[in-house]
Amino acid sequence: SDELTQPPSVSVSPGQTARITCSGDALPNQYAYWYQQKSGQAPILVMYKDTERPSGIPERFSGSSSGTTVTLTISGVQAEDEADYYCQSVDSSGTWVFGGGTKLTVL
Amino acid sequence: QVQLVQSGAEVKEPGSSVKVSCKTSGDTFNNYAITWVRQAPGKGLEWMGGTIPMFGTAKYAQKFQGRVTMTADESTSTAYMELSSLRSEDTAVYYCSTELLYCNRTNCFTIKFDPWGQGTQVTVSS
Repeated sequence: SDELTQPPSVSVSPGQTARITCSGDALPNQYAYWYQQKSGQAPILVMYKDTERPSGIPERFSGSSSGTTVTLTISGVQAEDEADYYCQSVDSSGTWVFGGGTKLTVL
Repeated sequence: QVQLVQSGAEVKEPGSSVKVSCKTSGDTFNNYAITWVRQAPGKGLEWMGGTIPMFGTAKYAQKFQGRVTMTADESTSTAYMELSSLRSEDTAVYYCSTELLYCNRTNCFTIKFDPWGQGTQVTVSS
């Protein structure tokens, strides 16, 4: 499948670690990108090329890749991290696709 | 650091067209593509396509082929996305983003999509 599959929601308490997964058949051969989108705002890039963190993004954000799954990890989650998170990659036809998004709730 | 400023909200009737602009600043179009993504109310992100101004090329998602045109004016550092034959399902926020590229003699490779414009609300309603 060319789709990217994300869990609809993830909930963690402040200070805990949040892991958001993104699965897709093309991921072993393509980089993944992650975006954070807060309500009413434009998306912000928080990870690119699987594991690269843009300047200005806190070190608690990290990325990893294993087989058909990529993971965005947020260590020591803070209330301000509550947002929707989207993964993005390229499918087999060379078209960019997004995952369905994961709502991160900080309890 | 490139900054993107998009045009204002639009209300269009079904069957008409809309043209959204995305003005860049702080850098030129060199080594960038401009990508367009939309988000329907309460829904996720949807890639529409992109244009590489330095090559004058564009690539569109199959879903929008024949209905969308993406262009760029290097003299004003402004990119445009025009969507025609509008229907209610096209009601969405439309975003532009710079796609930083690395190009060698034969191919271009994406480095990252950053930053994004603030978004333009397009409402299709009679």
